[in-house]
Amino acid sequence: QKEVEQDPGPLSVPEGAIVSLNCTYSNSAFQYFMWYRQYSRKGPELLMYTYSSGNKEDGRFTAQVDKSSKYISLFIRDSQPSDSATYLCAMSGDSNYQLIWGAGTKLIIKP
Amino acid sequence: ETGVTQSPTHLIKTRGQQVTLRCSSQSGHNTVSWYQQALGQGPQFIFQYYREEENGRGNFPPRFSGLQFPNYSSELNVNALELDDSALYLCASMTSGYNEQFFGPGTRLTVL
Repeated sequence: QKEVEQDPGPLSVPEGAIVSLNCTYSNSAFQYFMWYRQYSRKGPELLMYTYSSGNKEDGRFTAQVDKSSKYISLFIRDSQPSDSATYLCAMSGDSNYQLIWGAGTKLIIKP
Repeated sequence: ETGVTQSPTHLIKTRGQQVTLRCSSQSGHNTVSWYQQALGQGPQFIFQYYREEENGRGNFPPRFSGLQFPNYSSELNVNALELDDSALYLCASMTSGYNEQFFGPGTRLTVL
C-alpha cells in the first residue's frame, strides 16, 4: 500500500462545476499538506499549503485537511477550462522536508 | 523575484553514460531538493541540500549524487545511466524553516 493514495482519474466535469479532489494517507506523522497543479510536461505549481487540520481558502480554491480520517481535499469553484491539468497532493512530517506525493488526478474541464 | 530555473530543458543520453543537471534556486531560498517524476506518476524524492551539504536522501542508489554551491544553486549527477532513469527531473527550492517548496520547469531526460 502506498503512503499517499490519489485517484488518477481522469475526472471530466462541465465548465462552472464544483470540483472535488481527494487524497488519503497512512502516516499519522504528516503535518504539512500541499496541493500542486501540473500542466503537461511542466513543473508542479504550488496552489495551496496547509499546516495540520483545518480549512484554507484562496480565491476559487479551498483546501481541507482532516487528520483524524487521514483525508485531504481540494475544492475548485466555478471551474474553468484553464483549470484542466493534473492535480497532485503532497505532504511531509514536522521535521522532514521530504515531500511524499500522490500519483496525481487528471482533471478535464469541458467548455 | 526570479523563480527556480533548470537546465537543460531536454537531454538524450545512452545507457552507461553520465549526466549533469543544473538548478538555480529562487532568490532568498537556501535549500534545494531534487525529485524524479516518471510519466504518469508523482515525483519521488531523491535528496535535499542545505548549506552545501546533503540533508536527507530518498531511496536512490549512490550513482545519483549532487552538489550545492555557495550561491545555493545545485547540480544533480547521475552515473552509469539506465533505461529506467528516463524521467522528468525536478528541482525545488525553499527557505529553511518553511516547508513551501517551489519547483522549476524540470529537465526531461531520455536514456536510449
